[in-house]
Amino acid sequence: DAGITQSPRYKITETGRQVTLMCHQTWSHSYMFWYRQDLGHGLRLIYYSAAADITDKGEVPDGYVVSRSKTENFPLTLESATRSQTSVYFCASRGSREPDTQYFGPGTRLTVL
Amino acid sequence: AQSVTQLDSQVPVFEEAPVELRCNYSSSVSVYLFWYVQYPNQGLQLLLKYLSGSTLVKGINGFEAEFNKSQTSFHLRKPSVHISDTAEYFCAVSDRRNTDKLIFGTGTRLQVFP
Repeated sequence: DAGITQSPRYKITETGRQVTLMCHQTWSHSYMFWYRQDLGHGLRLIYYSAAADITDKGEVPDGYVVSRSKTENFPLTLESATRSQTSVYFCASRGSREPDTQYFGPGTRLTVL
Repeated sequence: AQSVTQLDSQVPVFEEAPVELRCNYSSSVSVYLFWYVQYPNQGLQLLLKYLSGSTLVKGINGFEAEFNKSQTSFHLRKPSVHISDTAEYFCAVSDRRNTDKLIFGTGTRLQVFP
């Protein structure tokens, strides 16, 4: 029972580079989410997806791109990383049996130099 | 729109003492309320949730929370904490009619000392 996994767990990159963070879940949950966690802000929603090929913006979507070609995967891409995108990124998912509850991955700590 | 305020950024407490972590929310619609816990270097884990019914909700690890609609609060309590309860605790709210979006508070760091 792998649940929800994220890769890489740690990433250091430079300003201007493209970075993709991966999220994979084995529950066949229809909904998936990306959050960033910053000190003093808690978690803020970047993008979410209700199903394959359906995505929508959250609170802080600028500078990020998502795709969802398969139900189990929800990659997050920083097309041109900036220092302000240094953060811990969490992926989450939820299914139809518990429509009110999100389950979180372990997170990816991204540092942009 | 909803918002969540966690009044204490840090709460230090000695082992076996009781603790209360405060959470207030603001919303013009009916809400669901949640507490998540984040242990060091880990993701968030659901501690408990209030959907409807009894206003006193019991969760994992001996935690409980009480929904108070008139005070728009959802404070988390534990009668006797352990060293292992040291973690970051997040209160969150979602619209009952649209659970797509969870709004989180800024978190409370619970530090339990021996």
